[in-house]
Amino acid sequence: DAGITQSPRHKVTETGTPVTLRCHQTENHRYMYWYRQDPGHGLRLIHYSYGVKDTDKGEVSDGYSVSRSKTEDFLLTLESATSSQTSVYFCAISESYGNYGYTFGSGTRLTVV
Amino acid sequence: GIQVEQSPPDLILQEGANSTLRCNFSDSVNNLQWFHQNPWGQLINLFYIPSGTKQNGRLSATTVATERYSLLYISSSQTTDSGVYFCAVHLTYSGGGADGLTFGKGTHLIIQP
Repeated sequence: DAGITQSPRHKVTETGTPVTLRCHQTENHRYMYWYRQDPGHGLRLIHYSYGVKDTDKGEVSDGYSVSRSKTEDFLLTLESATSSQTSVYFCAISESYGNYGYTFGSGTRLTVV
Repeated sequence: GIQVEQSPPDLILQEGANSTLRCNFSDSVNNLQWFHQNPWGQLINLFYIPSGTKQNGRLSATTVATERYSLLYISSSQTTDSGVYFCAVHLTYSGGGADGLTFGKGTHLIIQP
């Protein structure tokens, strides 16, 4: 969607290196989310943010950290990438976490070799 | 945690056919959404439908919250309807910790010309 962009779209990195994925929104939505999608698991929540500097863990947060210093940007960092973190990562935004529709970015395909 | 089950897991239809996709969930929800992931990986929000019925062109959805299920109807299928359809829910009584939507594993729909 035009209001949410993810970068990079594709990345190959080596095991043990740090990686940062960026989600940028122009909708001024309060809530932002990072999901990963893997075959057989559907989409699983990694971390979410409910405001600037306000973040919390999701279902599969081990090995990931996030930061949100501005409303429009939500960064996902893999401190030391592992092969198990090879996945497609999606960012989503919402006006409210409970009762509004979500809009997803186009995804980042990350391969850890 | 909440269980979200979608059926059928796979569905192959001829162009012009109608289909019904089902989503069962195990607890009370205040948010239910249907998404279509196209063959290029993009996730498109189809409906925000925690209860009731909505229609958008050839697609319609019904959620019976008291019986904990939702149905997505696709009429007069087209090849562009192919992809994976996800149901995702948010618990009514979700507290802190793992917030955000919980996704089912999806229904993979193939529409043949």
